Amino acid sequence: SQKIEQNSEALNIQEGKTATLTCNYTNYSPAYLQWYRQDPGRGPVFLLLIRENEKEKRKERLKVTFDTTLKQSLFHITASQPADSATYLCALDMVRGSQGNLIFGKGTKLSVKP
Amino acid sequence: DGGITQSPKYLFRKEGQNVTLSCEQNLNHDAMYWYRQDPGQGLRLIYYSQIVNDFQKGDIAEGYSVSREKKESFPLTVTSAQKNPTAFYLCASMGFGDTEAFFGQGTRLTVV
Repeated sequence: SQKIEQNSEALNIQEGKTATLTCNYTNYSPAYLQWYRQDPGRGPVFLLLIRENEKEKRKERLKVTFDTTLKQSLFHITASQPADSATYLCALDMVRGSQGNLIFGKGTKLSVKP
Repeated sequence: DGGITQSPKYLFRKEGQNVTLSCEQNLNHDAMYWYRQDPGQGLRLIYYSQIVNDFQKGDIAEGYSVSREKKESFPLTVTSAQKNPTAFYLCASMGFGDTEAFFGQGTRLTVV
């Protein structure tokens, strides 16, 4: 079965630096991969989606890359701020071509220190 | 405003009791999902429904039941058969052809 690994449970960085989070998956490559932000006690909020035929996607200070050869996505936050502190989840569809049915990684808790 | 609403935010249940968590959306989305989140476990899929009057088991459906009588509503019942029900429960929805999930704010269930 498809598995997702976010290989850092926690990441601590200094304000202004670039945070880089990793998401690896096994088996087949999904049609797309998504990243969400989750604050404590709240539901995840969608940030970015990248499709299998895209290498890179950007949105303001966020950048996502997708390497289907390595079976890996990297999520970057440039010029990080304390307000970026949260847990970041990657997700991919479990059944290729189906609607939804997302499976999630365990998340990486990012702490940005002033 | 369109959105997805879960209620209640906090719920306490005595052992041996069934309890129902509410999830309502006004986004006109076809698909709805229930996830369970435990510390260090990420989100695990309990049930999902892609159309009214139809639903499918996820990875951890045992001890749970759902219904989908209306497009807007997808309630989750945690039955007494669920041995470890204390967790944070998240409901999500997704429109046809859309690729992002919208989540509710979650219900924290505690067995006392």
